[in-house]
Amino acid sequence: NAGVTQTPKFQVLKTGQSMTLQCAQDMNHEYMSWYRQDPGMGLRLIHYSVGAGITDQGEVPNGYNVSRSTTEDFPLRLLSAAPSQTSVYFCASSPGQGTRNTIYFGEGSWLTVV
Amino acid sequence: GQQVMQIPQYQHVQEGEDFTTYCNSSTTLSNIQWYKQRPGGHPVFLIQLVKSGEVKKQKRLTFQFGEAKKNSSLHITATQTTDVGTYFCAGPYGGATNKLIFGTGTLLAVQP
Repeated sequence: NAGVTQTPKFQVLKTGQSMTLQCAQDMNHEYMSWYRQDPGMGLRLIHYSVGAGITDQGEVPNGYNVSRSTTEDFPLRLLSAAPSQTSVYFCASSPGQGTRNTIYFGEGSWLTVV
Repeated sequence: GQQVMQIPQYQHVQEGEDFTTYCNSSTTLSNIQWYKQRPGGHPVFLIQLVKSGEVKKQKRLTFQFGEAKKNSSLHITATQTTDVGTYFCAGPYGGATNKLIFGTGTLLAVQP
């Protein structure tokens, strides 16, 4: 049981380049989300999805796009990378709402934009 | 907007000393969760509290949910070096229980 798998683990981008962070979960969870973590800022929600075909914005969605074509996959796209997007990105999934909203995190993707 | 703050930001203790981190939300929370993140790692779920005034224990860790469901605390008795890491509280964001907003975190350093 792999849980939540993110790729790549490390990436360096030049300003203006685009890329996609991949995320897959094998727990059949309906809810998936992306967080970014910056020093002293905690974890901030970028986008989330409550099921295939449904996505919504979180606290800091600007500069990022997401889609959810299957239950398992939830990629995060940076269309034109900026140095301000240098961060650690965590994909996460959760089985449900209410008391079943415990989050399971992937191991993170370290992104540097130069 | 909705905010979840934690204090202190950083705490350095000698092994064997106690440690407490406090979490305060700007809004009432239907539930609160605590996560631990080891240096270089990812956050890992510790516990969830749902009821007003609830207290739960996990070995040396004691978690409390405030009566008004706007604050919470995590207390570690007799810290060990394995307790090192950042502790985050998290609560539902915007009223939607499937989205979580995380607190700013408390980094715990334990000196042997």
